[in-house]
Amino acid sequence: KQEVTQIPAALSVPEGENLVLNCSFTDSAIYNLQWFRQDPGKGLTSLLLIQSSQREQTSGRLNASLDKSSGRSTLYIAASQPGDSATYLCAVRQTGGTSYGKLTFGQGTILTVHP
Amino acid sequence: SQTIHQWPATLVQPVGSPLSLECTVEGTSNPNLYWYRQAAGRGLQLLFYSVGIGQISSEVPQNLSASRPQDRQFILSSKKLLLSDSGFYLCAWGGGATPLYSPLHFGNGTRLTVT
Repeated sequence: KQEVTQIPAALSVPEGENLVLNCSFTDSAIYNLQWFRQDPGKGLTSLLLIQSSQREQTSGRLNASLDKSSGRSTLYIAASQPGDSATYLCAVRQTGGTSYGKLTFGQGTILTVHP
Repeated sequence: SQTIHQWPATLVQPVGSPLSLECTVEGTSNPNLYWYRQAAGRGLQLLFYSVGIGQISSEVPQNLSASRPQDRQFILSSKKLLLSDSGFYLCAWGGGATPLYSPLHFGNGTRLTVT
């Protein structure tokens, strides 16, 4: 059974700091890994999708890496801003079992960026 | 561009009353559609998914049901709500030519409180 763990559970940093969020998964048989952002009381916003054959993806100040063999992904946020404050979730889409590729989510990292 | 709509945003219902939550997707055809529930401290749980009109698969046996009467419409229902049905319900879509390699996109969610 796939298990996804995100560390740390919560993180508080001053504005301008570079930071790294971690995601680990137990079963490396995946199609891809997706990072999401969730603001309080809102739905999930897709940030980055990394296919299993890729090593990293970048979007603006965000960079996500994937090491499938070790079951790890990191989300790097450069020059953090208060508007980055949110819960960040990672999810892996695993192979086998279903035709749609089941997503397994981590519990999330609550990020607070203070001015 | 594709958009996903969910309504209502919030709902307070008494125990034993019926439920109907609706989700529609615009700007794409034949999407895979999903209903998730997010409960405090329990992460995201997949409830139902659908790969086409009238095709519904349930991930977790429960007091809820889902229907897909049209290609881009997904409905979550219950005949009699239980207190344990309270939570944040999220609709999502994914798909395109390669659904297993495409990102998942979420709606803004419905906060359901059963009293």
